[in-house]
Amino acid sequence: AQSVTQLDSQVPVFEEAPVELRCNYSSSVSVYLFWYVQYPNQGLQLLLKYLSGSTLVKGINGFEAEFNKSQTSFHLRKPSVHISDTAEYFCAAAGNKLTFGGGTRVLVKP
Amino acid sequence: EAQVTQNPRYLITVTGKKLTVTCSQNMNHEYMSWYRQDPGLGLRQIYYSMNVEVTDKGDVPEGYKVSRKEKRNFPLILESPSPNQTSLYFCASSLRGRGHSGANVLTFGAGSRLTVL
Repeated sequence: AQSVTQLDSQVPVFEEAPVELRCNYSSSVSVYLFWYVQYPNQGLQLLLKYLSGSTLVKGINGFEAEFNKSQTSFHLRKPSVHISDTAEYFCAAAGNKLTFGGGTRVLVKP
Repeated sequence: EAQVTQNPRYLITVTGKKLTVTCSQNMNHEYMSWYRQDPGLGLRQIYYSMNVEVTDKGDVPEGYKVSRKEKRNFPLILESPSPNQTSLYFCASSLRGRGHSGANVLTFGAGSRLTVL
């Protein structure tokens, strides 16, 4: 069965510090991978996606993620966060179906 | 503006009182889906629709119904709501269904927060 695990439910981080959100997936078939962001009181919007090709994917707002097939991971990173990055982040995998992880709440502190 | 519109955004109701959450998209998308979001559980799919008159169960369909009579609309129906259906609901759509390529990006509505007392 396909599954997505986000290893941290909450990540507090100071403004201008780097952040990494971890995501691991399991699937018996090849997958496409996504990161979505949910700002307070809003729906989800796409941050970035990996379909094929370069394993380092750049998204909006300075985020990037690296696909690691051997470790079945797709971790999200940003070198310097802003207060406006406070949100919940969801990793998702599309193989036989689209499956979301449990989400990681990022709280950026001044 | 391309968007998915859900209504109502907030609703408090009582056990057993039928309700419908509407969802409409203006992007001519074939695929539409309903999710519920609960703390620590991420998004779980309730029902989805690959096209008009084609619907199927997701991971947590119990207690819900859907219909897809028109391409743009995909209402979620709770015939007899119960407190365990208190949740945040999202409708989403994409150009094609996951069965075609798996690479289609979902556009989400803003969410509907439902409380069942």
